[in-house]
Amino acid sequence: GESVGLHLPTLSVQEGDNSIINCAYSNSASDYFIWYKQESGKGPQFIIDIRSNMDKRQGQRVTVLLNKTVKHLSLQIAATQPGDSAVYFCAVPNTGGFKTIFGAGTRLFVKA
Amino acid sequence: GAVVSQHPSRVICKSGTSVKIECRSLDFQATTMFWYRQFPKQSLMLMATSNEGSKATYEQGVEKDKFLINHASLTLSTLTVTSAHPEDSSFYICSAKSHTTGRYSNQPQHFGDGTRLSIL
Repeated sequence: GESVGLHLPTLSVQEGDNSIINCAYSNSASDYFIWYKQESGKGPQFIIDIRSNMDKRQGQRVTVLLNKTVKHLSLQIAATQPGDSAVYFCAVPNTGGFKTIFGAGTRLFVKA
Repeated sequence: GAVVSQHPSRVICKSGTSVKIECRSLDFQATTMFWYRQFPKQSLMLMATSNEGSKATYEQGVEKDKFLINHASLTLSTLTVTSAHPEDSSFYICSAKSHTTGRYSNQPQHFGDGTRLSIL
């Protein structure tokens, strides 16, 4: 079946440094990818998405890179701040797009 | 825009009680809503998908009679945990999507802030 994985369960970075969170997916036909941020005790919050006709998309301090050849996407956070501490999930709609498959999540710790 | 309100945020009740959780889309019409369960330090586990005006589609292993879902309007879906027991204690999260058309009909889900259910 379709799956989404994350390379690291936790990531610790120094405040001000850039963070890179990686994700691999299994379905080469996937054409839409989403990153969510979940703070403790809250629901996931949409950060940024990217469609398969692009390989890079930028938001405010965040960039998502998509490499369809190796079925890999990454979330880059520039100048990481304490408020960025959270669990980050990549997510991919399943075939047909009726539901979304979530990765295991990467917990980002930001050290002051 | 795209705000989803989930209520209550926390429930503590005795074993055997039935608990209803509401999920509302405040500024858009949600043709599809999703209910997830999340255990500590784990990812979201989809329980069921509800479409307005029709029966919910449950994921494998989720008891339909235990977790009753109603999506009676385009802005409201409810999850009722019937005769709850301590093993039902968890963090329940709803999300909603609005209807779009076209090739790129995929869009992000908008999540509520979750309900922490504790059964004593």
